[in-house]
Amino acid sequence: TQLLEQSPQFLSIQEGENLTVYCNSSSVFSSLQWYRQEPGEGPVLLVTVVTGGEVKKLKRLTFQFGDARKDSSLHITAAQTGDTGLYLCAVNKGAGNNRKLIWGLGTSLAVNP
Amino acid sequence: GAVVSQHPSRVICKSGTSVKIECRSLDFQATTMFWYRQFPKQSLMLMATSNEGSKATYEQGVEKDKFLINHASLTLSTLTVTSAHPEDSSFYICSARDRVTNEKLFFGSGTQLSVL
Repeated sequence: TQLLEQSPQFLSIQEGENLTVYCNSSSVFSSLQWYRQEPGEGPVLLVTVVTGGEVKKLKRLTFQFGDARKDSSLHITAAQTGDTGLYLCAVNKGAGNNRKLIWGLGTSLAVNP
Repeated sequence: GAVVSQHPSRVICKSGTSVKIECRSLDFQATTMFWYRQFPKQSLMLMATSNEGSKATYEQGVEKDKFLINHASLTLSTLTVTSAHPEDSSFYICSARDRVTNEKLFFGSGTQLSVL
């Protein structure tokens, strides 16, 4: 079973549109991370949310952590072609040297000019 | 900021040959490094966790004799794909955890392996 469910899996929109992608789970997390990955590159950390109900903004990107810390959303306002990429949510699992990132399946976003 | 260098960025090899991929933390020491495999437009699949000075821990379904991991120093881990076959063609990414903070994870830029 997949710990983190991301939706939608694929999204193709026109430049200037708004969009929201979701990361859901039945488990509670102490924190959750969002990454963006462009083709042929490693993922880049966008934000870490830690407090239930927290909202963080990064220019046109708004991240929200659910009150119960089980889910998160990423909203992009007035999408640009440069926003195209794979958006991944991830959480830490385990402790010490056994701690590792568990990834969602990702949302592949294409913003068309 | 911290940098993880992954080399080569792209490699094409013949079926049956072995390919080594290097992952270096350039300005920090990493006790733990991770190796991932990724198919186009899909998420990262963790292959193994590599701790300096000890054997790597492989995820279920990953052949340890096929994907040899060595983490000989605090700044270098290598992944060797042995006797590569076309089905091994994929994007491989490493990441390294900063030893000091033990929190942040830094990613390499990936290696695209194509096996002919």
